Amino acid sequence: DVKVTQSSRYLVKRTGEKVFLECVQDMDHENMFWYRQDPGLGLRLIYFSYDVKMKEKGDIPEGYSVSREKKERFSLILESASTNQTSMYLCASRLHRDFSYEQYFGPGTRLTVT
Amino acid sequence: AQSVTQLGSHVSVSEGALVLLRCNYSSSVPPYLFWYVQYPNQGLQLLLKYTTGATLVKGINGFEAEFKKSETSFHLTKPSAHMSDAAEYFCAVSKGKAAGNKLTFGGGTRVLVKP
Repeated sequence: DVKVTQSSRYLVKRTGEKVFLECVQDMDHENMFWYRQDPGLGLRLIYFSYDVKMKEKGDIPEGYSVSREKKERFSLILESASTNQTSMYLCASRLHRDFSYEQYFGPGTRLTVT
Repeated sequence: AQSVTQLGSHVSVSEGALVLLRCNYSSSVPPYLFWYVQYPNQGLQLLLKYTTGATLVKGINGFEAEFKKSETSFHLTKPSAHMSDAAEYFCAVSKGKAAGNKLTFGGGTRVLVKP
C-alpha cells in the first residue's frame, strides 16, 4: 500500500512566521504535489514536482515555495505566513509511469494563521 | 483550461435511498476521470476512476459512475446510502501528459445521510 504522511495534522502559527509543511511518501514515486483545500473551492494545486530538485508552479503559487532534495520528501514553505493562508493542505504523490494518473493523498495538515 | 463542475455543494439523502452526485467537465481531449472521497479529518481516498474502455466503472463501497462523452459527465451513484457514506466527494479530471499529469478538482459535494 502506498503511504503518504504529513508531518503535522494541526498547526497554529502567527502572522509573519516562516512555516514548513513536510510530506513523505514510501513508494518511490517520482511526482509529488501540494494542494490547498478550501470550502467550495475544492483542491487547488500550489506546486508540483516531477522528480528530485524539479519543481513547477501550480495554479496558486503566490506566497509559497517548495523544496525537493530527496525523492521521498516534498516540503511546502510559507515564507511569511498570512491569515489568508489558513487552510487545509494536502500532499499527494504518483508513479510517473502510472498512465491512469491516479494520485495518492496524505491525511492533510490543517494550518491556522493568527 | 479544463474545469470541473459539481452540481450541489451539499446533498442530503435518507439511509437506504439512492445517492446521485453530479460531475460535469470541460475538456477538448478525452479525459481521465476520478472520484475521490474524504471522510472527516482524513485525506482523499480513491473511489473509482475511468481511463479507457467500459464507460460504466465500479468502485469501492458499492459506488459506480458512468462516463458519458456526449454529455461531458461522470456522475457518481450508489443504489442504497449507508450512514458510513457521509463524507465529502470530489470529482477530478486529468488530461494526462498534455496537462503535465495534473488533476483538476471540482468544488466538492458534502453528503449527509439521515437515519
